[in-house]
Amino acid sequence: EVHLVESGGGLIQPGGSLRLSCAASGFTFSSYWIHWVRQAPGKGLVWVSRINSDGSATNYADFVKGRFTISRDNAKNTLFLQMNSLRAEDTAVYYCVRGLGGIAADFWGQGTLVTVSS
Amino acid sequence: QSALTQEASASGTVGQKVTLSCTGNSNNVARYSVGWYQQISHGAPKAVMFGNSLSSGIPDRFSGSKSGTTASLTISDLQPQDEADYYCSTWDYSLNVQVFGGGTKLTVL
Repeated sequence: EVHLVESGGGLIQPGGSLRLSCAASGFTFSSYWIHWVRQAPGKGLVWVSRINSDGSATNYADFVKGRFTISRDNAKNTLFLQMNSLRAEDTAVYYCVRGLGGIAADFWGQGTLVTVSS
Repeated sequence: QSALTQEASASGTVGQKVTLSCTGNSNNVARYSVGWYQQISHGAPKAVMFGNSLSSGIPDRFSGSKSGTTASLTISDLQPQDEADYYCSTWDYSLNVQVFGGGTKLTVL
């Protein structure tokens, strides 16, 4: 059974940094694109970033370019999101999502809450 | 404003059929497979279908279709447990990002 488990969220001050992790199991992690999608409180789903199966290609939403970095460790079946220069508007639940053909598609984690506030 | 347009709300009674729509353009919906996601009471989203394939555990009361720049999700024999927010999503070739609709809040009366 496919499982994606996010961790690393919490309360952080504006300008601070946080590293999210997503532990995958139940499938061949190294064969899939993986995405980060976020949802601010009471708002809709917003795509953040994706990384290809071997980590050689990444894409980012404009609002995180230069601040967030996606990476993966296929030996440990783990996805990461390094978030720097955090802003209040980055407050959201962050989900990792397995991709199909490069699109965030079929399996979602339970999410981890990031709160940026002083 | 979302790149994909969905109805803000929809409703139906138990046993009815309801169709949700997702309108994009030639760079997204017309070009790529569309995913539909169900989110119940602000829990984690769950995939309903991607392209023409129903996700595991989703009853065959759910079906999808696409015509040009509009994708649709049809729920037949509506049940109380179908009450949820439904989002559509796909890749956008021009923007080089994944885009989501604003979501449709489905109420089962």
